Amino acid sequence: ETVLTQSPTTTAASPGEKVTITCRASSSVSYMHWYQQKSGASPKLWIYDTSKLASGVPNRFSGSGSGTSYSLIISSIESEDAATYYCQQKSSDPLTFGSGTKLEIK
Amino acid sequence: EVQLVETGGGLVQPGRSLKLSCVASGFTFSSYWMYWIRQAPGKGLEWVSSINTDGGSTYYPDSVKGRFTISRDNAENTVYLQMNSLRSEDTATYYCAKDRGGNWGPYWYFDFWGPGTMVTVSS
Repeated sequence: ETVLTQSPTTTAASPGEKVTITCRASSSVSYMHWYQQKSGASPKLWIYDTSKLASGVPNRFSGSGSGTSYSLIISSIESEDAATYYCQQKSSDPLTFGSGTKLEIK
Repeated sequence: EVQLVETGGGLVQPGRSLKLSCVASGFTFSSYWMYWIRQAPGKGLEWVSSINTDGGSTYYPDSVKGRFTISRDNAENTVYLQMNSLRSEDTATYYCAKDRGGNWGPYWYFDFWGPGTMVTVSS
């Protein structure tokens, strides 16, 4: 099983700051996908195929990475970005998710 | 507008069974792989099962293999999850999700999720 380790587990940032969330895979994966989940809501597809923004996602978000290291980057945080972000892979069985990164806004 | 609505959750005793349903609308249901994903209270996401477009191929992680069965009725735009021999560790919100791929799929990631249905396994 490919274990996805996200860091940090929790982070807090002020509006306008840049935030990077990292997802490290225990073995190489071809693509990484990211979901945003706000409190009490179901997850939403946020970034797919490592770097493609899902419909409606602001362009202050970006994704990058390859092999065993992937990142979700927010160039300038806004209050609406407060949420938990999960990475997900299916390059190897079984499909797995990271444990999540909770982003709080100061 | 794509909509997925799960039903069937509730409180069930350990060892008993429960069947979840997910009714889909707003897309050509028969063209998409479908999935169940769960989230234990305060925890992360766990893939539970997948089914191909005609229902002929199904997939499960070891944690539920042999206990859970996914199926679909394309005429009714519905995907099901039959859960048997339930354990306390199956307590979670169960989400139905749609593959993004369609005729090009499966892509094995999920572009729409339902609001979820809560399953509590407790005596």
